[in-house]
Amino acid sequence: NAGVTQTPKFQVLKTGQSMTLQCAQDMNHEYMSWYRQDPGMGLRLIHYSVGAGITDQGEVPNGYNVSRSTTEDFPLRLLSAAPSQTSVYFCASRRTSTNTGELFFGEGSRLTVL
Amino acid sequence: AQRVTQPEKLLSVFKGAPVELKCNYSYSGSPELFWYVQYSRQRLQLLLRHISRESIKGFTADLNKGETSFHLKKPFAQEEDSAMYYCALGPSNVKAAGNKLTFGGGTRVLVKP
Repeated sequence: NAGVTQTPKFQVLKTGQSMTLQCAQDMNHEYMSWYRQDPGMGLRLIHYSVGAGITDQGEVPNGYNVSRSTTEDFPLRLLSAAPSQTSVYFCASRRTSTNTGELFFGEGSRLTVL
Repeated sequence: AQRVTQPEKLLSVFKGAPVELKCNYSYSGSPELFWYVQYSRQRLQLLLRHISRESIKGFTADLNKGETSFHLKKPFAQEEDSAMYYCALGPSNVKAAGNKLTFGGGTRVLVKP
């Protein structure tokens, strides 16, 4: 199993551009989520999904859209990039049938907005 | 609202010395607490969870509901323990509150030889 795969690993955007960060998992996990990691602020939840067709907002959803058309994929869309969205983005998944809380993370996508 | 606080951004210790990473939380329900670790150039991964009451790589953590803390401890730090550590909080009822995990700000541990 590849686990959680994120693409691209690095991206540079100009202010106002849009892009999509891709996330795919092959573990048949119901729950998928996107976090951003910023120095001193830890990991903050952007959006999450508990199954195909179901998404919800996390702590910092503004400026981002998500969709969950399949169990495997959970893309994150930046509609109009801003410098404040410069960050490292992590996709993570887990089963919802257990209480273990073990999130499986992707390798991260480093985004720079100029 | 659920909140996790890690007061130390950086902990620097010598090899063989004890290390303790502090984690305090606020949560109105019954929480599950976790420690995640990110080694250099590796993915974030689960280190341990409070419900397992296990020791992983020599680390232990005790949930203190009275003090709302879940500090991570290791009696003798090793150089390979150098990493970023995150405390995380979630609901014990997996169907509650959208099943969200909230992370603290992280503590970077540097173990010097």
